[in-house]
Amino acid sequence: AIQLTQSPSSLSASVGDRVTITCRASQGISSALAWYQQKPGKAPKLLIYDASSLESGVPSRFSGSGSGTDFTLTISSLQPEDFATYYCQQFNSYPRYTFGQGTKLEIK
Amino acid sequence: EVQLVESGGGLVKPGGSLRLSCAASGFTFSSYSMNWVRQAPGKGLEWVSSISSSSSYIYYADSVKGRFTISRDNAKNSLYLQMNSLRAEDTAVYYCARARQWLDDAFDIWGQGTMVTVSS
Repeated sequence: AIQLTQSPSSLSASVGDRVTITCRASQGISSALAWYQQKPGKAPKLLIYDASSLESGVPSRFSGSGSGTDFTLTISSLQPEDFATYYCQQFNSYPRYTFGQGTKLEIK
Repeated sequence: EVQLVESGGGLVKPGGSLRLSCAASGFTFSSYSMNWVRQAPGKGLEWVSSISSSSSYIYYADSVKGRFTISRDNAKNSLYLQMNSLRAEDTAVYYCARARQWLDDAFDIWGQGTMVTVSS
């Protein structure tokens, strides 16, 4: 079964910072990866699909890259509303739709 | 407005059953694959089950296989999750989510979630 490992698990940053979160798959998944943002008490929100495609309505400061086993989510200039937990998800292989363990982004 | 609204959560004893529903509106429900995802208190996201638009393809996580059944009624724009033999570890917020285009695809629309608590 494919496992996704996110790093770091938590991150402190300041408004205006550039932040990168990494997601590593235990085996190749081509570009079948998505990134989600989740705020406390809310449902996840799709940010990036197919590893690098920006979902409609998502600010352009969010970007995704990678293929195969290594992927990154980058926020170019952190805004106050970006402090949340971020998850990667693969939809390539068994067990179908694995999520990473999450990265909590906190205010420094 | 594109919307998913879950219902049916609640408190149930171990070994009991519960049926979750997800009502879709604002889009052609019958054209999309649908999914259930859960999140235990303070934990991460766990995919539970998926069903294709015509119910031809159905998948389950190993953790629920044989106990949960996903189904849909395209005439009623509704998705269901029948949960049997519930365990304490099934306690979670359950979200329904729409697959963006294909069965194997990102989840672009999510409901607000419904809480299921399994406890004696």
